[in-house]
Amino acid sequence: NAGVTQTPKFQVLKTGQSMTLQCAQDMNHNSMYWYRQDPGMGLRLIYYSASEGTTDKGEVPNGYNVSRLNKREFSLRLESAAPSQTSVYFCASTAGTSGRRGAYTGELFFGEGSRLTVL
Amino acid sequence: GESVGLHLPTLSVQEGDNSIINCAYSNSASDYFIWYKQESGKGPQFIIDIRSNMDKRQGQRVTVLLNKTVKHLSLQIAATQPGDSAVYFCAENRGTGRRALTFGSGTRLQVQP
Repeated sequence: NAGVTQTPKFQVLKTGQSMTLQCAQDMNHNSMYWYRQDPGMGLRLIYYSASEGTTDKGEVPNGYNVSRLNKREFSLRLESAAPSQTSVYFCASTAGTSGRRGAYTGELFFGEGSRLTVL
Repeated sequence: GESVGLHLPTLSVQEGDNSIINCAYSNSASDYFIWYKQESGKGPQFIIDIRSNMDKRQGQRVTVLLNKTVKHLSLQIAATQPGDSAVYFCAENRGTGRRALTFGSGTRLQVQP
């Protein structure tokens, strides 16, 4: 059981290049997330997908796009990379549904992270 | 502004001592809180959670305390071990209907042998 798998683990880009970070989970979770983590800071939400077929902006969506390809996969795309997007990116998932617990449920399961450097 | 923050960026303790990591939050609508542990080069891992209708919750060697009056959350680790050395984050769900957590900036716990 792999949990949450992110690829690639490391990537170096030049300013203006594009790339896609891939994320897949095998836990049959409904909700998936992309966070970025910068040195000395917590995780900031870029985009999330509460359920298959839906995506919503988080705190820092500018410069990114996402695709919830199916229930398992949630990709993050940088169309024109900038040095400010140098960061470690984490994908996460949770079973979370509105359910009896309200808007948010349960533990987030994180991938190992993708370290992106934009020169 | 509204945020989740931590009082101490680095906490150093002796092996075997108890550790207390604190977190302040400012959104009174937050209804769910989680503590995560992040080891170097890895993704965050769930430690323990607590809902806003509770004051205390215990796990294995860990206890989370929630004081809604002063909007304060703490993580207590009993008999701290070298393997507990990591960065610890508190996170909250702000109860706004957005199904996502907001994370604090983290506290580094260093366990001295």
